Amino acid sequence: NAGVMQNPRHLVRRRGQEARLRCSPVKGHSHVYWYRQLPEEGLKFMVYLQKENIIDESGMPKERFSAEFPKEGPSILRIQQVVRGDSAAYFCASSFDTGLNTEAFFGQGTRLTVV
Amino acid sequence: GESVGLHLPTLSVQEGDNSIINCAYSNSASDYFIWYKQESGKGPQFIIDIRSNMDKRQGQRVTVLLNKTVKHLSLQIAATQPGDSAVYFCAEIKNTGGFKTIFGAGTRLFVKA
Repeated sequence: NAGVMQNPRHLVRRRGQEARLRCSPVKGHSHVYWYRQLPEEGLKFMVYLQKENIIDESGMPKERFSAEFPKEGPSILRIQQVVRGDSAAYFCASSFDTGLNTEAFFGQGTRLTVV
Repeated sequence: GESVGLHLPTLSVQEGDNSIINCAYSNSASDYFIWYKQESGKGPQFIIDIRSNMDKRQGQRVTVLLNKTVKHLSLQIAATQPGDSAVYFCAEIKNTGGFKTIFGAGTRLFVKA
């Protein structure tokens, strides 16, 4: 019973390139959340998606960042024209349902380094 | 705005002693809180949760206390072990048209052997 799988675990991109981060939720989970974590800081909410729909993107930068969770396949967090400030760990979480007492399971994260 | 924050960024304890990690929340429409443990290079892992209609909840070696009057949350770890060394986050679940987890800044726990 695999947990949340994120890939790649480490990603290096030059400034101006695109970064694509993938998240396969726990089997049967239809709710996905993306978080960003800077070193020695907490996790900052970015976006919450339910299959094919963006529910809450209040934490997403208005430009260069986008997320999707298609009917088939993993959720993708896409960062266009990356800058050094995008360097961080990006975590994905999934849950079966939404609501109180609904536990979200986290992946191991993708560490993005922009050089 | 609303925030979930921690009093102490780092905490160092002797193996076998009890640890207490604190968290203050300023304003919350949520009535559900979770403590997570994050080890180096890994994602957060659920430890224990508590609802606002409770003031205490116990797990295996861990206890969470909630004081709604002063908006304070704490995690107590009994007989702290080296394997407890990690960063601990308190978090609240907020309903914004769907429930999302909002994290505090975290406390790093060092356990000295």
